[in-house]
Amino acid sequence: AQTVTQSQPEMSVQEAETVTLSCTYDTSESDYYLFWYKQPPSRQMILVIRQEAYKQQNATENRFSVNFQKAAKSFSLKISDSQLGDAAMYFCALYRFGNQFYFGTGTSLTVIP
Amino acid sequence: DSGVTQTPKHLITATGQRVTLRCSPRSGDLSVYWYQQSLDQGLQFLIQYYNGEERAKGNILERFSAQQFPDLHSELNLSSLELGDSALYFCASSLGGGPSTDTQYFGPGTRLTVL
Repeated sequence: AQTVTQSQPEMSVQEAETVTLSCTYDTSESDYYLFWYKQPPSRQMILVIRQEAYKQQNATENRFSVNFQKAAKSFSLKISDSQLGDAAMYFCALYRFGNQFYFGTGTSLTVIP
Repeated sequence: DSGVTQTPKHLITATGQRVTLRCSPRSGDLSVYWYQQSLDQGLQFLIQYYNGEERAKGNILERFSAQQFPDLHSELNLSSLELGDSALYFCASSLGGGPSTDTQYFGPGTRLTVL
């Protein structure tokens, strides 16, 4: 079975500070992909970052980076220099090639001015 | 604006009824994905089509069905509706056949309320 766990229902961060959102997952596959999606109040789902399991190097997209620990099955998202526009629900997702997506329950991020 | 359109935006219907949700992918995208987002179940992947063919299947109920037409738009049919089917239904599209290399672009969603 594949499951994704986000243990932090809510997080807050001061504007310009750094915050880390946690995600753990469970899969018996060796080939899979991990994602972080952002869902702002508009409800539009936006891909933030993607990580291939076979790559050891952590993915980075501007202020967003991940800490991918394959052995520990951990995939955390770090947001640097937080901005007001980063306030949203963040979902961690696991995709097994040729199969389906599994999403976590989400972490609601508040950015404090 | 992601370029993915979904109609209708809101839908209110009664238990036992059947509805059809429509999705038009971004121009040039061959893959369409359907997702259900509800308060109790969270975000769930339902099904994916690639160029008219079913590519992957998730937690889609037997009462639900989908198809992708030659012009690449897709429809999600929900029948024998139950109260628990009330949710936000998202469609997403991507250029190729897998999200491992493609970015998925999500539509604004269809809010379904079953009374």
